[in-house]
Amino acid sequence: QLQLLESGPGLVKPSETLSLTCTVSGDSIRNGGYYWGWIRQPAGKGLEWIGSRYYSGSIYYNPSLKSRVTISVDTSKSQLSLQLSSVTAADTALYYCARHLKGTNCCNGFEVWGQGAMVTVSS
Amino acid sequence: SYELTQPPSLSVSPGQTASITCSGTDLGHKYVWWYQQRPGQSPLLIIYQDSKRPSGIPERFSGSNSGHTATLTISGTQPLDESDYYCQAWDSKTVIFGGGTKLTVL
Repeated sequence: QLQLLESGPGLVKPSETLSLTCTVSGDSIRNGGYYWGWIRQPAGKGLEWIGSRYYSGSIYYNPSLKSRVTISVDTSKSQLSLQLSSVTAADTALYYCARHLKGTNCCNGFEVWGQGAMVTVSS
Repeated sequence: SYELTQPPSLSVSPGQTASITCSGTDLGHKYVWWYQQRPGQSPLLIIYQDSKRPSGIPERFSGSNSGHTATLTISGTQPLDESDYYCQAWDSKTVIFGGGTKLTVL
């Protein structure tokens, strides 16, 4: 059964870079036909898409975050990573890793979600 | 940028039908996905491609999409259906979520 586990520092200082890793188990991130993405949710608020990518090639980012976001893949570790630079308090949220439904084109709905990783931006 | 609009809240009595709307320009020409999020849990995909149910999702959940509005319908609403519900679409290489609807069953 596919499982996604987010990990990373729970506290990041303003202006620094937030870094999270999503470890995929139960399947390989190189398994063709799936896009992988990051979504965040501030406490008590709705879902915000950060970006999605195929394990090799196509990457799509939320235009409002594009200048600060990098999503990368380490196929040898079956990990998806998120980097968000120049963070502010507005980036405080629960960050989810998720796999899209199978499809050769991005982006279908998110079929499998991790449990989320809470990140607080504060000095 | 494209926007999806949902009512912030909806209340329904147990056993009744709940209809949660999601509106967007020409939404009927796009696929819509729906998620259920219970307090403290990750979202769960309950409807994909407008009206299809993933394995394990009860038949009381159904979806439709036409014109400018997609609708999630919960028939015979149960207390355990009390959750936040989000619609999602894909437009101009961007994933868009609706603002979410808090469904109260009382």
